[in-house]
Amino acid sequence: NAGVTQTPKFQVLKTGQSMTLQCAQDMNHEYMSWYRQDPGMGLRLIHYSVGAGITDQGEVPNGYNVSRSTTEDFPLRLLSAAPSQTSVYFCASRQTSGGSGTQYFGPGTRLTVL
Amino acid sequence: DAKTTQPNSMESNEEEPVHLPCNHSTISGTDYIHWYRQLPSQGPEYVIHGLTSNVNNRMASLAIAEDRKSSTLILHRATLRDAAVYYCILRDPISSGSARQLTFGSGTQLTVLP
Repeated sequence: NAGVTQTPKFQVLKTGQSMTLQCAQDMNHEYMSWYRQDPGMGLRLIHYSVGAGITDQGEVPNGYNVSRSTTEDFPLRLLSAAPSQTSVYFCASRQTSGGSGTQYFGPGTRLTVL
Repeated sequence: DAKTTQPNSMESNEEEPVHLPCNHSTISGTDYIHWYRQLPSQGPEYVIHGLTSNVNNRMASLAIAEDRKSSTLILHRATLRDAAVYYCILRDPISSGSARQLTFGSGTQLTVLP
């Protein structure tokens, strides 16, 4: 299994541009989520999905959209990039909805907005 | 939501045991205790989790206090590759929505000295 994959690894955007961060998992996990991590901080939840066709907001959803048309893919869209969105973005997935489910993280996308 | 408290940083000598503490005095009866770590420039990775009993796996041991208000992650023999930020996280399977996702604090930065 490749696990959780993310593309691109690095991206530089200008303010106002839009883009999509890709995330895919091959473990048939129901739960997927997006986090952002600012320098020296922990991860903050942006959006999450509990299955295909079902998404919901996390702690910091403003400026981002998500969709989940398949179990495998969970793209994150930046609608109009702002410098405040400069961060490292991590996608994650897990199987169970219970308290013991192990979460698997992708390698991250490092985004800089100028 | 139940919160965790961890020291900002700790140091250990290589090949010595490391005890990483976590306080969670407001833990509920259904909260699982999870530990993840984040190596430099990587996504978080699962270390161990438990509910009431002490747990061992190939990476570490988790010692949970009898009243469950604190826990300790034990690395039996620290190596330079164990240098990372270690996160202690509570997950409640009863909660709904975003509360079911992992909530990361700032963690403990472990430095391993050669």
